[in-house]
Amino acid sequence: GAVVSQHPSRVICKSGTSVKIECRSLDFQATTMFWYRQFPKQSLMLMATSNEGSKATYEQGVEKDKFLINHASLTLSTLTVTSAHPEDSSFYICSARNPTSGGYEQYFGPGTRLTVT
Amino acid sequence: QKEVEQNSGPLSVPEGAIASLNCTYSDRVSQSFFWYRQYSGKSPELIMSIYSNGDKEDGRFTAQLNKASQYVSLLIRDSQPSDSATYLCAVNVGGSYIPTFGRGTSLIVHP
Repeated sequence: GAVVSQHPSRVICKSGTSVKIECRSLDFQATTMFWYRQFPKQSLMLMATSNEGSKATYEQGVEKDKFLINHASLTLSTLTVTSAHPEDSSFYICSARNPTSGGYEQYFGPGTRLTVT
Repeated sequence: QKEVEQNSGPLSVPEGAIASLNCTYSDRVSQSFFWYRQYSGKSPELIMSIYSNGDKEDGRFTAQLNKASQYVSLLIRDSQPSDSATYLCAVNVGGSYIPTFGRGTSLIVHP
């Protein structure tokens, strides 16, 4: 298996402010991490693929200037929601694949619940 | 046709019964298949991965893969109320290392 952590687990911010969410792989090095968003009672939506040392790849319809992703090391990726608005309130989840496992299993962090007031 | 399809449910089974969850996928070249469990308000947790045709058992869970028919299923034996959750099927479509998730099936195990 693999352990992925996220911080914070829950954050409330005011409209117009920015929020940074951290995703860490604790027991393996992740060259690639993934950021998902999930609205209540809806399915997971892949936002972007975070690549260590290079630019993130964003899914269609996801604003790259609003959701800034930085993957500066093999164990840390960050997602910054800039100028957050109430419609950005959601459950943000990161995941990573352990490249040494030989498989394609994704391991998810515990998620960050963002509420924008 | 969606790439990975699941019946949203809810699937309701009595405690102790076998719960059968199904998933179909559209891309014949898919090689990697996963089942995740997601409790309400929590993130998904990997239950099983399966790569070859046939059955794979892990405790009370059995994953079944049939590539010819393009479906993968998850059987949960001796279902417990604690198994009540949404079960997500994920498939690496087209050989991509990025999984495509189904919308999930809600399972309710009632005492």
